[in-house]
Order: sequence, then structure tokens, then C-alpha cells
Amino acid sequence: EAQVTQNPRYLITVTGKKLTVTCSQNMNHEYMSWYRQDPGLGLRQIYYSMNVEVTDKGDVPEGYKVSRKEKRNFPLILESPSPNQTSLYFCASSLDRVRETQYFGPGTRLLVL
Amino acid sequence: AQSVAQPEDQVNVAEGNPLTVKCTYSVSGNPYLFWYVQYPNRGLQFLLKYITGDNLVKGSYGFEAEFNKSQTSFHLKKPSALVSDSALYFCAVRDASDDKIIFGKGTRLHILP
Repeated sequence: EAQVTQNPRYLITVTGKKLTVTCSQNMNHEYMSWYRQDPGLGLRQIYYSMNVEVTDKGDVPEGYKVSRKEKRNFPLILESPSPNQTSLYFCASSLDRVRETQYFGPGTRLLVL
Repeated sequence: AQSVAQPEDQVNVAEGNPLTVKCTYSVSGNPYLFWYVQYPNRGLQFLLKYITGDNLVKGSYGFEAEFNKSQTSFHLKKPSALVSDSALYFCAVRDASDDKIIFGKGTRLHILP
């Protein structure tokens, strides 16, 4: 089954404790992206990647890192989480960067205390 | 810079009536436009897209949208609403000259039985 998976689905952590949210897709998609969803703000793009070893900042990259060492995986790293990063995070992938629709993962709900 | 606006936070429609969810956009180049739907506790699902060609685009679940270049709009429509259409709807735009995708803040659609 074609899908985007994220882990963990729920995470409670404390300020400053490094964490990684994994994202994996099995569709051989080139383009992958991370978003955060906050009430009243919709979805905002954090980082995106057009292919292996090619990443770029979205609209809200501060406090986040990503890597794309393999085509299927695109982890999101919070080196020192803060409470303002409490949010619902979605990973998405598409065949290419412009025309194709995005497939979204189920989401990761993060609470930073 | 590209932007997208969904002017209504919430839309209420009686079951069986036609529905419209509004979206306007601003891009410097050619727009690629998308509608996604989010059901409770789920990731986003693709509904339809406009890339080029016919201004009237048909998508999943009986939805359609009309691209209007002069009004820079891409309103989502359905002739007869179902209670199961109740969800959060997002409009998104990509500029053909950019790699980023911008989402609107979302419109919550309530279909009243």
C-alpha cells in the first residue's frame, strides 16, 4: 500500500531535550516536505527536499533541522525543543516538486513542556 | 511572494444544498492550485488540482473547482452537500517559478442534517 508513515504519532517532551520525528514514504517520490499545523494559522511549511541531499527552508524553519540521506526518509529534528514548537506536524511527499499532488502522513502531535 | 486566502473560517450548509468554499490567491507567475480535505484526527487528503487547461476541474467525492484568472480565485463547489462532507478544507498554491507551496488557513465546513 502506497503511504507516508510518521513516528511517533504522539510525543510529550520537555524543553531542550533533542527529538527526532521520522518520516518514510514507499512511493519513490522525489519531493518531501514537513509542515506544522496550528489553530488559526493553517499549514505552514517548515522544510522541503527536492531529492537526496537537497533540502531547503520553508516559511518557518527556525528551530528545526532536516536531512535527506535516502530517498524514502526525511526526518525532522528538533535540537532544543521549546514550548512554541508544540504543534501538529505532517510529513508529505509527491512525485515531483510542482505538479504532483502531495500524499500526507497521519501526523505527529507534539507537546513541549 | 505568493499567498492564498480563505476568507471564511467556517461555512454552514444544509444537507442537499449546494456548497461553496472560497479561495483567492496571489502569485507572480503561473499558479498551480490544489484543494485538500482533512477529516478529524487524519492527515490531509487530495481533492483536486488545477495545473493548466480547462478552468473547471472535477475531483474526488463529487467536488469541483473553477479557476478564475481575472479574479485570482479557485472556489471549491459541490452541487448537493452531504453530512459526510463536514471537514476542514485547505486551499494551496504553488508558483510555477518557486519550490514552495503555500496553504490557506483552512475553512471548516459544517453540513447540517
